[in-house]
Order: sequence, then C-alpha cells, then structure tokens
Amino acid sequence: QVHLVESGGGVVQPGGSLRLSCAASGFTFSNYGMHWVRQAPGKGLEWVAFIRYDGSDKYYADSVKGRFTFSRDNSKNTLYLQMDSLKVEDTAVYYCAKDRNDFWYMDVWGKGTTVTVSS
Amino acid sequence: DIQMTQSPSSVSASVGDRVTITCRASQDINTWLAWYQQKPGRAPKLLIYGASSLQSGVPSRFSGSGSGTDFSLTISGLQPEDSASYYCQRAMYFPLTFGGGTKVEVK
Repeated sequence: QVHLVESGGGVVQPGGSLRLSCAASGFTFSNYGMHWVRQAPGKGLEWVAFIRYDGSDKYYADSVKGRFTFSRDNSKNTLYLQMDSLKVEDTAVYYCAKDRNDFWYMDVWGKGTTVTVSS
Repeated sequence: DIQMTQSPSSVSASVGDRVTITCRASQDINTWLAWYQQKPGRAPKLLIYGASSLQSGVPSRFSGSGSGTDFSLTISGLQPEDSASYYCQRAMYFPLTFGGGTKVEVK
C-alpha cells in the first residue's frame, strides 16, 4: 500500500528555519517525481515545489524560491524540504504528494505536517 | 502565471442531486487539468486527471469534462460522503496552480 508520512513540523519564529521530511513506502520511490503542497489555515491549496525522480531538476513557487530547498534521498525513500528565512505567511499544513508521472498530477498524498511561524 | 478560477465558491444540494462545479483557466491549457476532493482535516484526493479521466478507485458518479479554458466537475447522484471541498489544478507547466476551491454541502 502506497504510504507517505510527513514529519518535522512545529513552531518557529520569523526568520527561523525548519526541515520537513516525508517518508515513502509501498512503491518504487526512485521512479517518481514528488511534490510539496501547502494549505494555510482556512485557505486553499498552494503548490510549493517539485523534484524529479532522480533529483536532477527542481521547481519552486515564486513565494518560496530562494528560501526553500527540496531534496531527496532515494536510498532512504525520503524527501526533505529545508525551509529558511521563514515568514508568518509560510504558516500552513505541508503535504508531500507523489506524482503520477504524467503532466504533474498528484495521485497519493500524505496526511500533512503543520508549520507555524509566529513570534 | 496561468490563473484558475472556480465557481461557485460554495453549493448546497440534496442527496441524489446533480452538482456541477466549473473551473476557468486564464489561458488555453488543453486538457491539463485535475480535480481533487478534500474533506475537513484530511489530505486531498485525486478524482480526475487529464480533464476527464477517472482516477482508479473513484466512484463513477464523478465525471470531468472540458478543454481549453473551461472545465467542469459533475457529481451525478450526490451522496452524503461527497460533502467536501473540491479543487481544480492546472498541470503541465510550472508553477502548478490550484483553483480557489468549491465547498459542497449535502443537505
């Protein structure tokens, strides 16, 4: 059964850093691109970043470009999202999602981890 | 960036009703569109991809249509468990973008 589990969320002050992880199981992780998507409290979905199956290419939303870094370790079936220079508006539930491998649709999602940026 | 606009923002309907949600792209996106369902406190779930292809395991009462700039998600025979928010998503080019969402209430 395909499973994604996020971790690493918490409360951090503005300007601080946090690293999220996403552990994958139940599929050949190294064959699939992966996404991060976030949802601010009471708001809609916002795509954050994508990484290709081998980590060779990464794409970011303008709102996080230069502050967030997406990486993966295919030997550990794990994704990482390093979040630096955090802003209050980064407060959200962060979901990792598996790509269908066709045109960037997300067919499996984790349950999410909550990031709160507050002083 | 290509903007995605959903309407209505909310809809209330009875069990057995037919409900249609629309999504409009600010420019032609061919059929590179997905629909997701999200229940409160839960992760989104892929329903439709490629504008009209049903994701495996999704009930056949869900259907999608459209191409170019205008798309729709139809629930034929609304069920109590369909109470949720629904989002369209433009695919194919980065940055990927979601519509603002439509909340469906089942009376």
